Amino acid sequence: DVKVTQSSRYLVKRTGEKVFLECVQDMDHENMFWYRQDPGLGLRLIYFSYDVKMKEKGDIPEGYSVSREKKERFSLILESASTNQTSMYLCASSDYTDTQYFGPGTRLTVL
Amino acid sequence: QKEVEQNSGPLSVPEGAIASLNCTYSDRGSQSFFWYRQYSGKSPELIMFIYSNGDKEDGRFTAQLNKASQYVSLLIRDSQPSDSATYLCAVNKDNNNDMRFGAGTRLTVKP
Repeated sequence: DVKVTQSSRYLVKRTGEKVFLECVQDMDHENMFWYRQDPGLGLRLIYFSYDVKMKEKGDIPEGYSVSREKKERFSLILESASTNQTSMYLCASSDYTDTQYFGPGTRLTVL
Repeated sequence: QKEVEQNSGPLSVPEGAIASLNCTYSDRGSQSFFWYRQYSGKSPELIMFIYSNGDKEDGRFTAQLNKASQYVSLLIRDSQPSDSATYLCAVNKDNNNDMRFGAGTRLTVKP
């Protein structure tokens, strides 16, 4: 079974704080993704990575950065959290069929 | 126009009926198509994927793809209350990990 884990299920931060969200997968997948999910907007891609140290911007990269130093780990960084970044953040990795396997999600609240 | 469009619902069907979920996409070059199920408070999980025109069956689920009309649908036969969830349609645009998700259709199966 593919397992994708995320560092926190719930997180509360203050405006201006630097926030790290971590994701780890155990299936040796090349590709990893960060999405945010908001009601009525569905899943929106923030960044993805197709290899270690490689990253590509998704639809909404502004205000975010990522890091992939090891194949199994993909981190999302909010350099200076803002209230409009309050959301559910989902990490995923994908196999050769392009099927995406999602982590449990992190519900981030920025006050 | 959104890249992947779904009727947000809610779609309500009685137990034992066929539930029909529809999705249209805008990019004619899209290559692969996915249906995910997301229970409330949980992350999406794959139901099935389809690459070729026609029908693909897996148990009670049938995915249908019509590339000429740019739509993909999911039929759920003998619907059960446990099928009550939001169903997300996803389209991989160019086989380069550019996956686009619809906002989802909420299905309720009433006993």
